[in-house]
Amino acid sequence: SQTIHQWPATLVQPVGSPLSLECTVEGTSNPNLYWYRQAAGRGLQLLFYSVGIGQISSEVPQNLSASRPQDRQFILSSKKLLLSDSGFYLCAWSAPGTSQETQYFGPGTRLLVL
Amino acid sequence: QKEVEQNSGPLSVPEGAIASLNCTYSDRVSQSFFWYRQYSGKSPELIMSIYSNGDKEDGRFTAQLNKASQYVSLLIRDSQPSDSATYLCAVDSGGSNYKLTFGKGTLLTVNP
Repeated sequence: SQTIHQWPATLVQPVGSPLSLECTVEGTSNPNLYWYRQAAGRGLQLLFYSVGIGQISSEVPQNLSASRPQDRQFILSSKKLLLSDSGFYLCAWSAPGTSQETQYFGPGTRLLVL
Repeated sequence: QKEVEQNSGPLSVPEGAIASLNCTYSDRVSQSFFWYRQYSGKSPELIMSIYSNGDKEDGRFTAQLNKASQYVSLLIRDSQPSDSATYLCAVDSGGSNYKLTFGKGTLLTVNP
């Protein structure tokens, strides 16, 4: 069966500091991978998605970036965090292919920028 | 811009009642529809998917889809306090870009 991991679970960072969040998926090959942010009281905002190694699509212009160095690894980064970057960051995966849109979420990383 | 609209709630029902959650979407070419449940502080978990007009039942959950009206709903029968959560409706964006658009969710409270 497939499993998705995210770490860290919780993070408190000062404004202007760098960020690196990691997501890995087990039990599947060539998954589609997604990064979402959920701010307090708001909906899920798609930040990035990837259909393969090195292939990243950005949905929202911002100070965040994403990378996919390996098939089942997805990394969210920032060089300098803003207060507005606080939120619940969720990684998700879906099976490859156009008919498999079902997305499965990891446990999430709660980020607080002070 | 593709939109998915849900009543934010909160929706409060007594234990044992039927909870009805509604969702409308703007993109007529959407083909896949999903309901997720999100407990406070946790990540969303998939409850059901539906692709064809009509009803789809899974245990106490029934999803209903009407593409002509661009409307999808989730019924929860015999509601339990453990069903108290935020329910997210998600709709595919059509085409082949693998994306889902999520509604902001409806908070459901089931009172014992």
